Amino acid sequence: QQPVQSPQAVILREGEDAVINCSSSKALYSVHWYRQKHGEAPVFLMILLKGGEQKGHEKISASFNEKKQQSSLYLTASQLSYSGTYFCGSNSGGYQKVTFGTGTKLQVIP
Amino acid sequence: DADVTQTPRNRITKTGKRIMLECSQTKGHDRMYWYRQDPGLGLRLIYYSFDVKDINKGEISDGYSVSRQAQAKFSLSLESAIPNQTALYFCATSDPLAGAAGELFFGEGSRLTVL
Repeated sequence: QQPVQSPQAVILREGEDAVINCSSSKALYSVHWYRQKHGEAPVFLMILLKGGEQKGHEKISASFNEKKQQSSLYLTASQLSYSGTYFCGSNSGGYQKVTFGTGTKLQVIP
Repeated sequence: DADVTQTPRNRITKTGKRIMLECSQTKGHDRMYWYRQDPGLGLRLIYYSFDVKDINKGEISDGYSVSRQAQAKFSLSLESAIPNQTALYFCATSDPLAGAAGELFFGEGSRLTVL
């Protein structure tokens, strides 16, 4: 079952902050975050692991609440380059089989 | 050159035709995946392979088959294409040694249109 992302879409002005949420109905080993520009491949942003370890982008932060099976991605001081669709991916079995959410479309305007 | 290469990048075909999408990688990863992307539905897993002898169905495997010819090559076939298989298809790889921290490395995508 796909994780649920919210919001589905958001428009920001440059410099504003945003939070994207991801919720799963299954226990999670890890949560992935990717950004995709229109017509391009998804690009890795971050992985959050059960137990608190993180791996990923220096300028983007995220949280992972294992008990609630939720993750949030924090985009601060947004730039035009942050525009795109953000996907969270849940890994429930620990085998790198990732199930993606339906995405959050983020648009940053001047 | 891209580490994960998909061919063709764009294909238009007719209902009932057999189509093969190919994926090759130079990352040396054992694990390979095929995802399908439709607007508003995100990326959905079609098939995945954890090594040459291991192939598994994903969420939406009906109407598709795969072949893992070598560690570096993983092909997706549509035996008899239908219009609702029109989508953007992505191949991805991951390194099993990375465990749960293993990110997915995506190819550039293959856009398939079935008329």
